[in-house]
Amino acid sequence: GAGVSQSPSNKVTEKGKDVELRCDPISGHTALYWYRQSLGQGLEFLIYFQGNSAPDKSGLPSDRFSAERTGGSVSTLTIQRTQQEDSAVYLCASSLQGEISGNTIYFGEGSWLTVV
Amino acid sequence: KQEVTQIPAALSVPEGENLVLNCSFTDSAIYNLQWFRQDPGKGLTSLLLIQSSQREQTSGRLNASLDKSSGRSTLYIAASQPGDSATYLCAVLKTSYDKVIFGPGTSLSVIP
Repeated sequence: GAGVSQSPSNKVTEKGKDVELRCDPISGHTALYWYRQSLGQGLEFLIYFQGNSAPDKSGLPSDRFSAERTGGSVSTLTIQRTQQEDSAVYLCASSLQGEISGNTIYFGEGSWLTVV
Repeated sequence: KQEVTQIPAALSVPEGENLVLNCSFTDSAIYNLQWFRQDPGKGLTSLLLIQSSQREQTSGRLNASLDKSSGRSTLYIAASQPGDSATYLCAVLKTSYDKVIFGPGTSLSVIP
């Protein structure tokens, strides 16, 4: 597609359930980011994938959170045993890295997660 | 470790005013700096990107400047309009393959 696509756009889940959030980056983009943003708050970095390098997982808040990126394209963020404090919008972004590309970062519209 | 700050955290101006948003970063060895806009309930939209070799970029009523040596960037908005109301974030990249670092944002309200 033309932009970064995220699904689902909205998800309501019961406390304790697992959820999967999907991100389709712009085709060919080598870098992919996941961020979390609680209501009225700033961006919270979660994880960064860059090409074939090991991902930077330094922002994942607990071992309930994990993410993978298959084939260097689509990424899935998984939250296990969801808690109410996990309620937030989860934003995905991608960029084409390298000296020529300029590294402009493009964001998706986010996946709104509500844990009840 | 790179840290990015934005002052003020919030700003309210009457329509028609020119305004400046500030972004500071602690490590001047950057590859580029990007300004974003975020509307409530939406993702971020890229406004301007300045490469480290550049001093400024312009798009319509927006002008972004970069002073690497002092670790500062400014986003100038001319003749502000209510539609400019949003949160503005800056982000810096150390090298073309590094993770981008975001500032906390400035929440702008333009009063009709």
